[in-house]
Amino acid sequence: SAVISQKPSRDICQRGTSLTIQCQVDSQVTMMFWYRQQPGQSLTLIATANQGSEATYESGFVIDKFPISRPNLTFSTLTVSNMSPEDSSIYLCSVEEGAGSYEQYFGPGTRLTVT
Amino acid sequence: SQQGEEDPQALSIQEGENATMNCSYKTSINNLQWYRQNSGRGLVHLILIRSNEREKHSGRLRVTLDTSKKSSSLLITASRAADTASYFCATDDNYGQNFVFGPGTRLSVLP
Repeated sequence: SAVISQKPSRDICQRGTSLTIQCQVDSQVTMMFWYRQQPGQSLTLIATANQGSEATYESGFVIDKFPISRPNLTFSTLTVSNMSPEDSSIYLCSVEEGAGSYEQYFGPGTRLTVT
Repeated sequence: SQQGEEDPQALSIQEGENATMNCSYKTSINNLQWYRQNSGRGLVHLILIRSNEREKHSGRLRVTLDTSKKSSSLLITASRAADTASYFCATDDNYGQNFVFGPGTRLSVLP
């Protein structure tokens, strides 16, 4: 399966600032996804990162708050903008292993704490 | 969007026993996946089962899917302490790409 890395692995940020999380895959993948996992909760899909076009956001998530870039088939970034303590979560990127396989594999996650 | 709902929310068993976790969902699916998450760690993909499949095996894992009941089960046989983790099912939407996760089952395997 694809090897997925994320940077940073964790960060503590002040409210009002922004943090950009990077996701790197060791092979070209068509579909990349960004999820959020709040403390003690399950995962919630934020958006699908499309290469060469704007990301597709799920209900409750907007581009101004979570801008996403997907410059090529192995890399994506998620920015958490104007952070508040409610943004404290683990942020995970995932990829679809093989176009049309529907099997998703996840990066190790970025643990964000906003003070 | 639909959501898988795992049952039970928490399960505690002795090492060597079997553990069964269930997942129910509301609308038709294309695929259902099971994941494991150890405390403070990332997600590990376990098994994907497609809507036209009824059962899949992987090592000590057995997954069943009953589309008539809109439910799936994950059976871990001969459990080990290392199986202690949270287990999530994820169901896809009608487009077969964006998976929605249930709240998870916290499994504790006691030595």
